[in-house]
Amino acid sequence: AQKITQTQPGMFVQEKEAVTLDCTYDTSDPSYGLFWYKQPSSGEMIFLIYQGSYDQQNATEGRYSLNFQKARKSANLVISASQLGDSAMYFCAMSDTGGFKTIFGAGTRLFVKA
Amino acid sequence: SAVISQKPSRDICQRGTSLTIQCQVDSQVTMMFWYRQQPGQSLTLIATANQGSEATYESGFVIDKFPISRPNLTFSTLTVSNMSPEDSSIYLCSARTSGNYNEQFFGPGTRLTVL
Repeated sequence: AQKITQTQPGMFVQEKEAVTLDCTYDTSDPSYGLFWYKQPSSGEMIFLIYQGSYDQQNATEGRYSLNFQKARKSANLVISASQLGDSAMYFCAMSDTGGFKTIFGAGTRLFVKA
Repeated sequence: SAVISQKPSRDICQRGTSLTIQCQVDSQVTMMFWYRQQPGQSLTLIATANQGSEATYESGFVIDKFPISRPNLTFSTLTVSNMSPEDSSIYLCSARTSGNYNEQFFGPGTRLTVL
C-alpha cells in the first residue's frame, strides 16, 4: 500500500528566507509521481510542482524546488525567498502507476513572518 | 490544463436530507475523482468516477451513501445521501488527463455544513 508522511504539522519562516517542508513516501510501485499542492485559507488546491519517479533531475518551478531522494523515499519541497503570501497549508501527494489515484499527506501549515 | 467548476460552492443542509454536487470540466479528461476534506484534515479519496459505469470506491466509502454519476468525459455528480453532521466537509472534484501524469487539477470545492 502507498503512504505519504508529512511530519511537520506547522513551520515558521522569516520573510525572504528559504524553508524546507518534509515529505516521505512508501510504495512498491517502480513508477509513481509526487506532487506538492498549496491550500490557502480560501480552500482552493493550487498545484506547485511535480516529480516523476524516473526523472533524473529535481523538479523546479520558480521559487519552488523539489529535493527528490529516491533511495531515501523523500520528496521535500524547498521554497526560496519566502513571501507573506506563502502562508498556507502545503500538501505532499503521490500518484500510483498510471495515475489512477492520488493520495495525500497530512499537510504542513507554513507561517511566514514579516 | 483544465478548469474545473463545482456547484454549489457551499450549502447548509438538514440532517437526513441529500445533496448533489455537480462538477464540470472545461475539456475532456480521462479520470475524475471525488475527495473529501474534513475540517482541519487532509484530502481523502472517496471514489474514482468512471464514465458510463459504476464508480470505484475507496475503503470506507459506499455507493449507497455517496452515489456518483459520470455520463460523459467532462461532467460528474456526487450525492451525499441521508446526511448527518459528520458529513460536514469540503468536497472536491479532481481530474487528470491520460498520459499527462504530471497534472492533476482540482475544483474550488463545495463546503457542506449539516445541521
